[in-house]
This record gives sequence, structure tokens and C-alpha cells, in this order.
Amino acid sequence: DIQLTQSPSFLSASVGDRVTITCRASQGIASYLAWYQQKPGKAPKLLIYAASTLQSGVPSRFSGSGSGTEFTLTIINLQPEDFATYSCQQLNNSPRTFGQGTKVEIK
Amino acid sequence: EVQLLESGENLIQPGGSLRLSCAASGFTFSRYGMDWVRQAPGKGLEWVSSLSNSGVDTYYADSVKGRFTISRDNSKNTLYLQMDSLRAEDTAMYYCVKHFYDSRRSLLAYDVWGRGTMVTVSS
Repeated sequence: DIQLTQSPSFLSASVGDRVTITCRASQGIASYLAWYQQKPGKAPKLLIYAASTLQSGVPSRFSGSGSGTEFTLTIINLQPEDFATYSCQQLNNSPRTFGQGTKVEIK
Repeated sequence: EVQLLESGENLIQPGGSLRLSCAASGFTFSRYGMDWVRQAPGKGLEWVSSLSNSGVDTYYADSVKGRFTISRDNSKNTLYLQMDSLRAEDTAMYYCVKHFYDSRRSLLAYDVWGRGTMVTVSS
């Protein structure tokens, strides 16, 4: 199985900050990586697919990059509604594994 | 509006069985593969099972293989997950999710998620 390791697992940030979350795959997955945002008590929401394509309706302050084994999710000008848990998922191989999640908290 | 609605919450004893349902609306259900994803309390997301749009091709996580069965009824726009021999470690929120493809029908993500249904396995 392909393992995805996110770093950091937790980060504290302030409104207006720029934050970067990394997702590393245990083997190459081309660009078959998605990012999801999850708020407490809610279902995850798709933010980015194919490593860097923004899902319709997602604000442009979110961006993704990477291919192969290393990927990043960047949020610029962090907004109050962005405090949530972010998870990556690989869809190159079965099982379609997820990272452990990164919780973005208010500093 | 595209929507997925899972069946209600359940408390079940270890060794018991349960069938989850997921009613789809707002899209042509029969064109899309569907998955179940679960999340144990305070934990990350875990892929459970996948089913092709035709219902022919099924895939399971090792943790549920031989105990869970995924199926669908395209005439009713409904996805199912039959869960047998339930264990305490199956306790989780179960989400029904829709496949999102590129033009070559390569799976790119899950673009629609249900609100989830909580399954608690406890005596």
C-alpha cells in the first residue's frame, strides 16, 4: 500500500498568514493527489485534484503543487473559515490511501 | 443539487450485522463509481470499499475484506454497504462518496460526500 505522510500534523497560524502543508508519498503517484478540507462535525470537502487543479468554487487563496512523491498545499492570506483539518489522498493505486491529516488552528 | 444521503445512525453489538444505504440525487447515478470511506472518532480518513458504475467491479480494504459487501441498485439510485461480523474497531462515521473523473475516466478525487452515518459497535 502507498503511505502518505503529512507534515506538520498540527500548525498554529493567524488570520492573514501564509501556510504550507506537505504530503509525501511512499512511492510515485504521478499527479493523482487530492486535497480535502474538513471542519468539525462535517464531511470533507474537495479542494484540489490532480495535485494542482482547484475544484470549482474553491477560493483562489488555496493552491496545490507537486508530482511524484512530494506535494504541497498552500493557503495564502488565511481566513477565519480556513481553520480546519486538511487531508491528502492518493488515487494512483488501490487502496486509495489518505494522509493522517493536518489540523490548522488559530494562534 | 447533487446530494448523497446515508442511512441513520446505529448502535450494534460485536459480531452483528448492519446494512448502510446511501441515496443519491442530482446526478446520473449509473454513470459513476462510488466508494465508502470511514473515519473513526478523532482519527483520519480510511477508504473502505469501491464499486464501479455498473456494479460489477468491487474492491475492499484488507481490514473489511470478507466481512463487508458493497452493492448498488441503479434503478433506485442507491448504494449499499452490508457489514457483517462487526468489530469494535469498525466504529466510525461512514461516508458515501462519488467518483470524479478526467476525460479518460481516470479517477481524480471524490467530489461529493454524504453527511455521514455513525456506526457504533459496542456491547
